[in-house]
Parts: sequence; C-alpha cells; structure tokens
Amino acid sequence: DSGVTQTPKHLITATGQRVTLRCSPRSGDLSVYWYQQSLDQGLQFLIQYYNGEERAKGNILERFSAQQFPDLHSELNLSSLELGDSALYFCASSVREGTGELFFGEGSRLTVL
Amino acid sequence: GNSVTQMEGPVTLSEEAFLTINCTYTATGYPSLFWYVQYPGEGLQLLLKATKADDKGSNKGFEATYRKETTSFHLEKGSVQVSDSAVYFCARHLRQGGSEKLVFGKGTKLTVNP
Repeated sequence: DSGVTQTPKHLITATGQRVTLRCSPRSGDLSVYWYQQSLDQGLQFLIQYYNGEERAKGNILERFSAQQFPDLHSELNLSSLELGDSALYFCASSVREGTGELFFGEGSRLTVL
Repeated sequence: GNSVTQMEGPVTLSEEAFLTINCTYTATGYPSLFWYVQYPGEGLQLLLKATKADDKGSNKGFEATYRKETTSFHLEKGSVQVSDSAVYFCARHLRQGGSEKLVFGKGTKLTVNP
C-alpha cells in the first residue's frame, strides 16, 4: 500500500460526458502528479501540483483540468470525453520536489463507450 | 530531446534465469535515473534509482548502473523468480525551470514461468 488513494477504481461512461477522478496523496506529501497510461502511448505525464499551485504541465488536453485543494487532495476533471480517453489514470505524490521518487496510487480505470 | 527508450517486450523467462532489460536515455546534463515496477493490478513502485554517473542502484536482487558514456541504465537480475513477473519502467528525472517530472519509457512486461 503506497498510501496514495484514488477513487473511483473503475468508471464507465459515454462519449461527451464529464468525469472527476480524485486523489488523496500520502500524509505529508505536498506534490501531486497525474499520469495517463494507455496501451499505445504508455505513461504520459499530465500535470503536477505543489501545495496547491500548478507546477508543470505535460500532455494534458484542454478538455482536461485539475486542481489541488487546501487539504492537498487533488481532482482531475475530464470533459467532452472521447473513446480515446479510455485509459488508466494514475495519481502519484512525493514529499518534496526534485527527488523523482514518486508514490503511485492504484489508478482509476476509465472506459468511454 | 529528453526521452527514455527501453527494450520492448514481452520478455518470458524461466525461473532462475538471468534478466537484462535495456534502457537508454537522451538528456542534457546528468539526470537522476529510475526503475519502477508495476505488479498486476497495482500502481507503480520505485524499484531502484541512481543519481549520478557510475552510481549503482540495487534492490530486491535487481541492479542497474548509471553509465554516462553509453547513456544507459540497464536493469539486471541474476536469478528471477515467478514473483518478479511485472511490467518494468525505466524513467529519468527532468527539471525544466521551476518544474520537474518523471519521463517514463514504454515499459517492458516480464513473465517468469516456474
């Protein structure tokens, strides 16, 4: 158990819909990262937050957004869903920036039909 | 660019066989390098890391040496077990300005048969 909690574990929805994925980092970790894992693209970095502030953006679509709340949990919002958004979405946390040592949750598997 | 290339799988071995999973990186400077492992149905876990040239990371019988001259960080284990069956990801740490992230290779699936 990494200490990172993601909900929901599985989600099935239809094209055009909007979903929210939630992540609770390990206790004390200030950084939260979101990654998308798909068969064809592998693990793609989406976005990073540190103590509520956006720090880095990767290959995140404009239809996607995220935020980190004062209690340090984070949410990833995916809207106008397309079939190609079906993937495993991972959240990871680290106690501080700069180490590269991330603790990953078990992921949220999104299926868009 | 800043990327990580690892050998494509899947790799299938018998128990007690020797394992090598190749990983090379492109980078400016000397980034920290990592191997992460993903067991079935789980998230990724840090397996080992090396932060500078000639460092050797090791954990659970796995080793990888940071080779600056060949820009490589190959993962090795002398005798694999069935429980090592997983997907292995090589990664490099990338810092750009005030931001940082891990860049992962595509992953190599290892299956160890009894």
